[in-house]
Amino acid sequence: QKEVEQNSGPLSVPEGAIASLNCTYSDRGSQSFFWYRQYSGKSPELIMSIYSNGDKEDGRFTAQLNKASQYVSLLIRDSQPSDSATYLCAVNAGRRALTFGSGTRLQVQP
Amino acid sequence: GAGVSQTPSNKVTEKGKYVELRCDPISGHTALYWYRQSLGQGPEFLIYFQGTGAADDSGLPNDRFFAVRPEGSVSTLKIQRTERGDSAVYLCASSRTGPDTQYFGPGTRLTVL
Repeated sequence: QKEVEQNSGPLSVPEGAIASLNCTYSDRGSQSFFWYRQYSGKSPELIMSIYSNGDKEDGRFTAQLNKASQYVSLLIRDSQPSDSATYLCAVNAGRRALTFGSGTRLQVQP
Repeated sequence: GAGVSQTPSNKVTEKGKYVELRCDPISGHTALYWYRQSLGQGPEFLIYFQGTGAADDSGLPNDRFFAVRPEGSVSTLKIQRTERGDSAVYLCASSRTGPDTQYFGPGTRLTVL
């Protein structure tokens, strides 16, 4: 079992819809959780961080964390074609370095 | 301020050669990380520096890989006797202190022919 699992996609949503991206992790000691966006040929760009159970909202983005289920999600409201990218879930289990999932490719159709 | 910078952006080398990849972190960030990303995969941890010392080098795949950060700022990742399997994008990230939020540089694409 991978330490951080994501569906590779592609996840295709129409413009204006809500995109829901999911991630599960195996280490119950994980303390910090991050979502990065990565455009093709570019480096990861931080979108959201979340540290405690519940929801955290920032503009069109909402991160959700459920430590009991070892589950993190990212919701993107009013999806735009410019949101088309690969979304990487990353987990910090107190080891300092991040453990990444393989990413979910999102396609927003105009 | 300026973000994380990495040089070169691209490096093509022949199997068996030695390469050095450089990372200049965000000013004031004491923690520096090296990751490697292969196509279709997420970044994979290589080594973490807190200040000048390597706090965690458990991700280095073998002894051909080595990294230094002599003055606690710029870091160099060194790969000896390169192999075709070393071809990947090498990413550097920094954070204010570990395990704070990490910010990535643009990466160095290494191609070993």
